[in-house]
Amino acid sequence: GQQVMQIPQYQHVQEGEDFTTYCNSSTTLSNIQWYKQRPGGHPVFLIQLVKSGEVKKQKRLTFQFGEAKKNSSLHITATQTTDVGTYFCAVTGGFKTIFGAGTRLFVKA
Amino acid sequence: EAGVAQSPRYKIIEKRQSVAFWCNPISGHATLYWYQQILGQGPKLLIQFQNNGVVDDSQLPKDRFSAERLKGVDSTLKIQPAKLEDSAVYLCASSFSGVEAFFGQGTRLTVV
Repeated sequence: GQQVMQIPQYQHVQEGEDFTTYCNSSTTLSNIQWYKQRPGGHPVFLIQLVKSGEVKKQKRLTFQFGEAKKNSSLHITATQTTDVGTYFCAVTGGFKTIFGAGTRLFVKA
Repeated sequence: EAGVAQSPRYKIIEKRQSVAFWCNPISGHATLYWYQQILGQGPKLLIQFQNNGVVDDSQLPKDRFSAERLKGVDSTLKIQPAKLEDSAVYLCASSFSGVEAFFGQGTRLTVV
């Protein structure tokens, strides 16, 4: 079945530093979604990317879909303590939504 | 707009016992998902319903897990008998468009 690999597994940053997580697939994706899960919370939808090379921004978050539609990235500029949590990419194929393992972000004040 | 409701929030059972979880999706959402999230891992799709029909249950351990969605609204997920490795958070989610999934708070199951 379809799988996505996320790297890194963990990232520790100092508040104010940037953060990037990557999602990679061996097959071409029809779309990719990003979710954030706060510690002890449930996943919350952030965005969906559909087009090749698509770039979307939400305040300090920048989402990018690769030209070949096999990878995606989420970049956070100037992290804040409120950014703490696990960021998941998810792909939809055959009506199923499959989640990656996630990247857990720790932010030190 | 009310969110996805799940109950109970927490459950502790002994292995070989049975347990059931309930989910009430957002009104009007035809798609309903049950995910299992083991600590430190991403959510794993167990079963997906479109209205009251099953779209995918390929990762549902059918020898012990069962799920139903009567009348295309509420859903229940049952485990019988439970094993230690079933300890996880069980997340219910629903979607109107099939794009954005709205998750409930989850049920944290501990099997001892």
